[in-house]
Amino acid sequence: DTGVSQDPRHKITKRGQNVTFRCDPISEHNRLYWYRQTLGQGPEFLTYFQNEAQLEKSRLLSDRFSAERPKGSFSTLEIQRTEQGDSAMYLCASSSGQGARLNTEAFFGQGTRLTVV
Amino acid sequence: GESVGLHLPTLSVQEGDNSIINCAYSNSASDYFIWYKQESGKGPQFIIDIRSNMDKRQGQRVTVLLNKTVKHLSLQIAATQPGDSAVYFCAENMADYKLSFGAGTTVTVRA
Repeated sequence: DTGVSQDPRHKITKRGQNVTFRCDPISEHNRLYWYRQTLGQGPEFLTYFQNEAQLEKSRLLSDRFSAERPKGSFSTLEIQRTEQGDSAMYLCASSSGQGARLNTEAFFGQGTRLTVV
Repeated sequence: GESVGLHLPTLSVQEGDNSIINCAYSNSASDYFIWYKQESGKGPQFIIDIRSNMDKRQGQRVTVLLNKTVKHLSLQIAATQPGDSAVYFCAENMADYKLSFGAGTTVTVRA
């Protein structure tokens, strides 16, 4: 499978615990995105990497959230001290391209469904 | 608020008929649009894209139309099949690298 891969697919955690999700983008893609999707809504942008550099973080990304892409390949998204409001689908996407615009298609992974109890 | 929206949250279509899914956007600076299909429990699947220098683009059984005058986007699916049942999102790119999504249209195909 050469698409975007996310792990785990599902995660149930107790409130207050930390969780970490992994995303492996399409291998030749230099751009990587994290989005969050709640039930009945479209995905909302969280953060963006070009290679290993994190170029933007949404205001949705509180201080409890941190994302990394250390070698410009896979990325991790960590949520510390999880809250019930963090329950959502966390989606990763990747694309190729240069410059300041999204000008090629972005492909999504299957997502990680987080449930905080 | 959201800059991309859909006219109807649900659409029911008879198998074999053509489907038309509509989307309105409000940012005239948007110049790249993507339609995604999302099945239950899965991530959004790329269907087709269009740039603002075009008004029509065709793929396999799908056609996207862009009307920049009224800031309207539509996705036409020919000969709708049961496997087309899903939530469809339009997404717009506004002068940077991220996509802004609407709430989606749920398409149900009747046998």
